[in-house]
Amino acid sequence: SQKIEQNSEALNIQEGKTATLTCNYTNYSPAYLQWYRQDPGRGPVFLLLIRENEKEKRKERLKVTFDTTLKQSLFHITASQPADSATYLCALGRNNAGNMLTFGGGTRLMVKP
Amino acid sequence: DAGVIQSPRHEVTEMGQEVTLRCKPISGHNSLFWYRQTMMRGLELLIYFNNNVPIDDSGMPEDRFSAKMPNASFSTLKIQPSEPRDSAVYFCASSRTLGSGANVLTFGAGSRLTVL
Repeated sequence: SQKIEQNSEALNIQEGKTATLTCNYTNYSPAYLQWYRQDPGRGPVFLLLIRENEKEKRKERLKVTFDTTLKQSLFHITASQPADSATYLCALGRNNAGNMLTFGGGTRLMVKP
Repeated sequence: DAGVIQSPRHEVTEMGQEVTLRCKPISGHNSLFWYRQTMMRGLELLIYFNNNVPIDDSGMPEDRFSAKMPNASFSTLKIQPSEPRDSAVYFCASSRTLGSGANVLTFGAGSRLTVL
């Protein structure tokens, strides 16, 4: 069965450092991958989308890579700030699957001042 | 736009009672999704609608769960009878389909359900 894995342990880093979160998947051929941010008590918020034919996408301090050979996406936050502390979810979608998104379990990021 | 609006935000009920969760999607969005989130299982897709028509309900746990979308601006998720294992946060999300076919979801704030 298809599986999307994110590190369930919290990632603790110091302010100013680069945070790197990993999303691995098996038994899946996504057409695109998305990253969402979720704060406590709120719904996930869309951050970035990257398609299968794209290697890298950037938005301000965020960078996403997508390696369909390794079946992995990396999500980077450069110059991290305490306000970046949240849970980050990756989601995979296929154009021929009714546009459904399947989410990973999320990784909690804690940025310490 | 007020975003996706869900109600109630919190619901505490007793086992066996009927629970109805409500969602108003963003105007102009043609797809609506119901997800359930728990610590153990993360975000699970229950059902989704496209142009008010249910497309895939394979994630609905069992017959106790039902969902409707009578028009483009309203959807309900009903649990009858409710059980303690249904306790979770239920999210509604709506989206517009991009020209390439990708969906970007806008989530509501969620309805936290506790079944005693």
